[in-house]
Amino acid sequence: EAGVVQSPRYKIIEKKQPVAFWCNPISGHNTLYWYLQNLGQGPELLIRYENEEAVDDSQLPKDRFSAERLKGVDSTLKIQPAELGDSAVYLCASSSGQDYNEQFFGPGTRLTVL
Amino acid sequence: GDSVTQMEGPVTLSEEAFLTINCTYTATGYPSLFWYVQYPGEGLQLLLKATKADDKGSNKGFEATYRKETTSFHLEKGSVQVSDSAVYFCALKRYSSASKIIFGSGTRLSIRP
Repeated sequence: EAGVVQSPRYKIIEKKQPVAFWCNPISGHNTLYWYLQNLGQGPELLIRYENEEAVDDSQLPKDRFSAERLKGVDSTLKIQPAELGDSAVYLCASSSGQDYNEQFFGPGTRLTVL
Repeated sequence: GDSVTQMEGPVTLSEEAFLTINCTYTATGYPSLFWYVQYPGEGLQLLLKATKADDKGSNKGFEATYRKETTSFHLEKGSVQVSDSAVYFCALKRYSSASKIIFGSGTRLSIRP
């Protein structure tokens, strides 16, 4: 069974440029998560989707970040414009349910903003 | 608010040494506790979990016991291998906070042959 797929794996951009990350969850997983992982820190939830609905986006900085999950499968996370402080690893995870079902993580996209 | 505190790394051990990575938590109620592992270049993987007090989670020779009286969930392994080199994250999730996992800052473990 294929795991969570993310692309690109690495991205280097200049500040004020836009950037987008893509995630393909495990087939059949209705819950999708985007996490931010700063260097030397644990992941922090940015947004959670149940199918195509964003049910928890309280930690998403909405002035520059946006996300979508069309058709309840793939998801895209966008930053526009990027700032130096956005340099981090962006992780996508998926699960087949909510509370106690395991979340499966992708390898992440490492973003460097110059 | 809920939080997880784990021992800072990096931790460097020789192969076959005994491993302990300390983890304590702060949370209301009775959270579930987890250890995740992140191997170089890979995503986080669930290593083990415990959902109630005195439960012991175990996997791949690793163990951790849910201690409510000390709010701890220390990770242990009797004999580490070079392949155990990775970053280990302690985490919790409250049942009332659907799906939100709170992670510690991670502990990098390096095993010398």
